[in-house]
Amino acid sequence: GAVVSQHPSWVICKSGTSVKIECRSLDFQATTMFWYRQFPKQSLMLMATSNEGSKATYEQGVEKDKFLINHASLTLSTLTVTSAHPEDSSFYICSARDQGPQGAGNTIYFGEGSWLTVV
Amino acid sequence: GESVGLHLPTLSVQEGDNSIINCAYSNSASDYFIWYKQESGKGPQFIIDIRSNMDKRQGQRVTVLLNKTVKHLSLQIAATQPGDSAVYFCAEIRNTGNQFYFGTGTSLTVIP
Repeated sequence: GAVVSQHPSWVICKSGTSVKIECRSLDFQATTMFWYRQFPKQSLMLMATSNEGSKATYEQGVEKDKFLINHASLTLSTLTVTSAHPEDSSFYICSARDQGPQGAGNTIYFGEGSWLTVV
Repeated sequence: GESVGLHLPTLSVQEGDNSIINCAYSNSASDYFIWYKQESGKGPQFIIDIRSNMDKRQGQRVTVLLNKTVKHLSLQIAATQPGDSAVYFCAEIRNTGNQFYFGTGTSLTVIP
């Protein structure tokens, strides 16, 4: 079945540095990918919608200059947390939309998530 | 429909009983809904989906009911097992898949 791979699974970085998280669709092309963050015992909060070849659409309250999203190919989207601070520590999850061979599908597959700890 | 930073409601059931998890959505334009299961420290896993032109869909041990009149979605799990313990989220898709939002989620605990 379709798989979305997220890397790294776990990263620790120093405060002030930047960290990049990759999201790959392994056996389908994804024109649309989504990025979420999740705090313990809470729901997933949509951060941005990433469309291949165009700028990401950020949700209200999400700083686009801090959370840089790049979707340069149909199988890869990246989220870069710039100048990370301890409050950015969270579980970040991506998902990718599989439109199917006719382009009319809407199946969403999730990556396994990336734990970011900023120290 | 948009996920918010609320703490999750909880549901505890005895093993073998049926579970019903509810979800309210806000946008009548949402045309596709998915239930996901998320185990601790992992990404969400697809369980079952339903389109807005349906009001019921059944899978293996799971049934999703959609009431568009009151914008309500439910997931029924038959003969709940300890392995069903997880957090369950409903998700609504709007605008032909370009907007995707999670509900608050429910933490299900199955008591052996």
